[in-house]
Amino acid sequence: GENVEQHPSTLSVQEGDSAVIKCTYSDSASNYFPWYKQELGKRPQLIIDIRSNVGEKKDQRIAVTLNKTAKHFSLHITETQPEDSAVYFCAATIPQTGANNLFFGTGTRLTVIP
Amino acid sequence: ETGVTQSPTHLIKTRGQQVTLRCSSQSGHNTVSWYQQALGQGPQFIFQYYREEENGRGNFPPRFSGLQFPNYSSELNVNALELDDSALYLCASSFGGKREGKLFFGSGTQLSVL
Repeated sequence: GENVEQHPSTLSVQEGDSAVIKCTYSDSASNYFPWYKQELGKRPQLIIDIRSNVGEKKDQRIAVTLNKTAKHFSLHITETQPEDSAVYFCAATIPQTGANNLFFGTGTRLTVIP
Repeated sequence: ETGVTQSPTHLIKTRGQQVTLRCSSQSGHNTVSWYQQALGQGPQFIFQYYREEENGRGNFPPRFSGLQFPNYSSELNVNALELDDSALYLCASSFGGKREGKLFFGSGTQLSVL
């Protein structure tokens, strides 16, 4: 199956700075890469996703980049705000197991310091 | 639009008992997936239900079973509970079986096995 590694496990940034979270995957057949934000005690929320036929996608302050050759993808958050503080999970899926079988990373706890 | 709802929110059981968790999918969604999230870890795929049948399963033993009903709601049953089954159980709904990748999660059921 797929193996997704995520770094760093914790990240602290000053408000207004940028934050970058990186993930690598093992199966070159992976074709869908979502990112989820999970606040303490709440549900994971889809914040952005990218498919393997696209190299970059942006949504306001959030962007995701994908390098298929190197098998890694990254989440970029610009102009961070205290409400961005949460645990972020990357995930990947491979066609053989179906789009809903997401393989998740172990999470990055982001703290934005006011 | 109604989101994914799960019940109960918290549950305490003893080892060897059986438990049933329930999930109502988001309106318009016909596919339900279940995930187990241990403390400090990313969610792990248990299985998926589409058209009332299991159509994808992760690395979980047969004592984890499920059902999907005609209204697309779903149950997760776990028999012979073990201490390691203590976790947050997340239900996610989507549309289109294995083809659609956008999962929307419920808030989860926190299961404690003593």
